[in-house]
Amino acid sequence: GIQVEQSPPDLILQEGANSTLRCNFSDSVNNLQWFHQNPWGQLINLFYIPSGTKQNGRLSATTVATERYSLLYISSSQTTDSGVYFCPNTNAGKSTFGDGTTLTVKP
Amino acid sequence: EAQVTQNPRYLITVTGKKLTVTCSQNMNHEYMSWYRQDPGLGLRQIYYSMNVEATDKGDVPEGYKVSRKEKRNFPLILESPSPNQTSLYFCASSLSAGVYNSPLHFGNGTRLTVT
Repeated sequence: GIQVEQSPPDLILQEGANSTLRCNFSDSVNNLQWFHQNPWGQLINLFYIPSGTKQNGRLSATTVATERYSLLYISSSQTTDSGVYFCPNTNAGKSTFGDGTTLTVKP
Repeated sequence: EAQVTQNPRYLITVTGKKLTVTCSQNMNHEYMSWYRQDPGLGLRQIYYSMNVEATDKGDVPEGYKVSRKEKRNFPLILESPSPNQTSLYFCASSLSAGVYNSPLHFGNGTRLTVT
């Protein structure tokens, strides 16, 4: 099946720092999204980004579908950015998640 | 408000006692799906449904049943729960799995404990 490899698995930052999270896919990128899972377990949709670049405030994402990877940029990180980040891809009904990147932002 | 509603949010049960976790969406979405999440792991797909009366197995379907008799509802049934089904469960929906620009919308999750 499709594999999603996320890196790094864990990331610890000081508040105000920038970071880049990456997802590599073993198959074609179709309905790709970035989610933030908050400490209460809720999955918060950040971007729907099967290709191209999008920005929303301090966050931006880029997907290069031809090379099967996606990047999430977090600038000026805040403690509320802490949590786990996922980049599932859904293809013909099958959804595949990686193991996530756990981000900890320290004050 | 457009949303995916799961119930209950928390459930503690005993081995072998049949249970149903409900999922309902009000966005007229064709596609619905169930996932489980275990500690330190990403979500794994249990079953999905491309439309009414069309369900398919995901990666971890053993021990689960689903039905899709109407568009808005997609219940997850555990006929004989076991402790290894203790997990956090999510339901999601999207306009259509086969259509471009069809993001997933998730419910808030159901935390199930089987003792």
